[in-house]
Amino acid sequence: EAQVTQNPRYLITVTGKKLTVTCSQNMNHEYMSWYRQDPGLGLRQIYYSMNVEVTDKGDVPEGYKVSRKEKRNFPLILESPSPNQTSLYFCASSDRRKLFFGSGTQLSVL
Amino acid sequence: GDSVTQMEGPVTLSEEAFLTINCTYTATGYPSLFWYVQYPGEGLQLLLKATKADDKGSNKGFEATYRKETTSFHLEKGSVQVSDSAVYFCALLFRPGSQGNLIFGKGTKLSVKP
Repeated sequence: EAQVTQNPRYLITVTGKKLTVTCSQNMNHEYMSWYRQDPGLGLRQIYYSMNVEVTDKGDVPEGYKVSRKEKRNFPLILESPSPNQTSLYFCASSDRRKLFFGSGTQLSVL
Repeated sequence: GDSVTQMEGPVTLSEEAFLTINCTYTATGYPSLFWYVQYPGEGLQLLLKATKADDKGSNKGFEATYRKETTSFHLEKGSVQVSDSAVYFCALLFRPGSQGNLIFGKGTKLSVKP
């Protein structure tokens, strides 16, 4: 089954403790992206990747890092999480016609 | 810059009611337009799209027509069901061939009561 898999689904952490949210797709898509969803703000793009070793900033990249060492994986790294990064995060990949989204990761930073 | 504005929710309707969710856009050039739907606890999924003026996208009883003269892409359904309860996002793509440049509206939550 074609899918985008994110883990974990829920995460509670404390300020400053490094964390990684994983994202994997099995559709051989070149394009992958991370979004955060916040009430009243909709979806905002954090980072995206057009292909392996090619990443670029989206609208809200501050406080986040990504890497794309292989086509299927696109982890989101928070080196020093802060409470304002409490949000619902979505990974997505694209076949150029539409985006395929993961089920989301609800992150709470205390 | 390019942007999407959609009506704020939440929208609450009774089953079989008519639905309209307004979406207008600002863009240079000729963007493609999309509606994505997010069911509770899930990620977004494409509902329908239109790539040029006067195109009508349709899926699952939903329709939206790309109106260049009014820069709009309103979502409509003639008879909603409880299972249509979800958050709906209007989006535009200003760079053809690259889904990474989708600009999303803020979303409209729809609740359908039996």
